[in-house]
Amino acid sequence: EAGVTQFPSHSVIEKGQTVTLRCDPISGHDNLYWYRRVMGKEIKFLLHFVKESKQDESGMPNNRFLAERTGGTYSTLKVQPAELEDSGVYFCASSHSQIFTEAFFGQGTRLTVV
Amino acid sequence: GQSLEQPSEVTAVEGAIVQINCTYQTSGFYGLSWYQQHDGGAPTFLSYNGLDGLEETGRFSSFLSRSDSYGYLLLQELQMKDSASYFCAVKNSGGYQKVTFGTGTKLQVIP
Repeated sequence: EAGVTQFPSHSVIEKGQTVTLRCDPISGHDNLYWYRRVMGKEIKFLLHFVKESKQDESGMPNNRFLAERTGGTYSTLKVQPAELEDSGVYFCASSHSQIFTEAFFGQGTRLTVV
Repeated sequence: GQSLEQPSEVTAVEGAIVQINCTYQTSGFYGLSWYQQHDGGAPTFLSYNGLDGLEETGRFSSFLSRSDSYGYLLLQELQMKDSASYFCAVKNSGGYQKVTFGTGTKLQVIP
């Protein structure tokens, strides 16, 4: 069974540009989460989807971040326009049940804004 | 708000035992989890404590004391492959799916 996959694995963009990250959860997992780790700091919650609906987006830092999950399958996280402080590793996780401890993480997308 | 504290780095010898502590401040505490992350890899779930006491899974054990807002991860018979970052994470009963992670402890296992 394929795990959670994220694309791209690395992205380097200039300040002001737009970047879209993609996450393909494990097939059949209704729950999808986005997290972010800024260098040397904690892994911070961004938002949680149940199927195509946003269950909790309280962790989204500002309106430059837009997450979608059309059709309840893969999800995208768009940053527009990107700022320097957006640099970090963006993780996606998915779970079948709503028990987070059963969530599986992707490898992450390392975003560098220069 | 919520905060978790854990040491930033720990070094231990292969074959030895190491304990990684985690203290937390949170409202509506539900449980404490531990995750392992190798450089460039995905965080991987290790263990979860919902109740006080010790949970054992092979070479790894995790302990929780709710009254002390404290937990630890114990790694026994250390192997070189255990070199990784270890995160404690608090599950808040107020935000069912919002799990707050600590800053991580980088464990280096040396020969």
